[in-house]
Amino acid sequence: AQSVTQPDIHITVSEGASLELRCNYSYGATPYLFWYVQSPGQGLQLLLKYFSGDTLVQGIKGFEAEFKRSQSSFNLRKPSVHWSDAAEYFCAVEGSGAGSYQLTFGKGTKLSVIP
Amino acid sequence: GAGVSQTPSNKVTEKGKYVELRCDPISGHTALYWYRQSLGQGPEFLIYFQGTGAADDSGLPNDRFFAVRPEGSVSTLKIQRTERGDSAVYLCASSPPGGGINTGELFFGEGSRLTVL
Repeated sequence: AQSVTQPDIHITVSEGASLELRCNYSYGATPYLFWYVQSPGQGLQLLLKYFSGDTLVQGIKGFEAEFKRSQSSFNLRKPSVHWSDAAEYFCAVEGSGAGSYQLTFGKGTKLSVIP
Repeated sequence: GAGVSQTPSNKVTEKGKYVELRCDPISGHTALYWYRQSLGQGPEFLIYFQGTGAADDSGLPNDRFFAVRPEGSVSTLKIQRTERGDSAVYLCASSPPGGGINTGELFFGEGSRLTVL
């Protein structure tokens, strides 16, 4: 079965600083990979996704992520963090393509932003 | 509203009681998903509906949990004989025809927080 590891439970960065949130997955084939953000009082929102092709994917709100098969990683990055980015971020994997409807989520990384 | 609506937003009950949680998906969305998020954890898959039928209920933890979607729109998650370990946020998501996991187009509600005393 697939699994997702987000090694950092909580990260604090200063506004304007760069950000990288780590995600490692375990799956035998090429997975579908996702990053979701969860803000207080709001539902989970999709930031970006990787299915195939270009390993660097762009998402909403200035986020990007890079799929590295050799490292089984899908790290999320942002060059300059804004105070409104403070939230919890979840990496997720869907492992078997068409016909599977289960996302497996990591435990999340909580991002705090210092003004 | 335009988003996925879940009611109640908060539910406190006593151990052994019966609970129903409701999800009203985005209009026109054919697929509906239930996830459970325990404290400090990521969401865990419970069940997936395509139309009125449960296409995948492999995530339901035991037979105390049951979900229905009789008219292919609103869904109800039912929990019998609640236990303290059932305390969690129950998330509902929906996706449009042609969407879903294979496009990443899951739209989540804010969740129903269940506390079992």
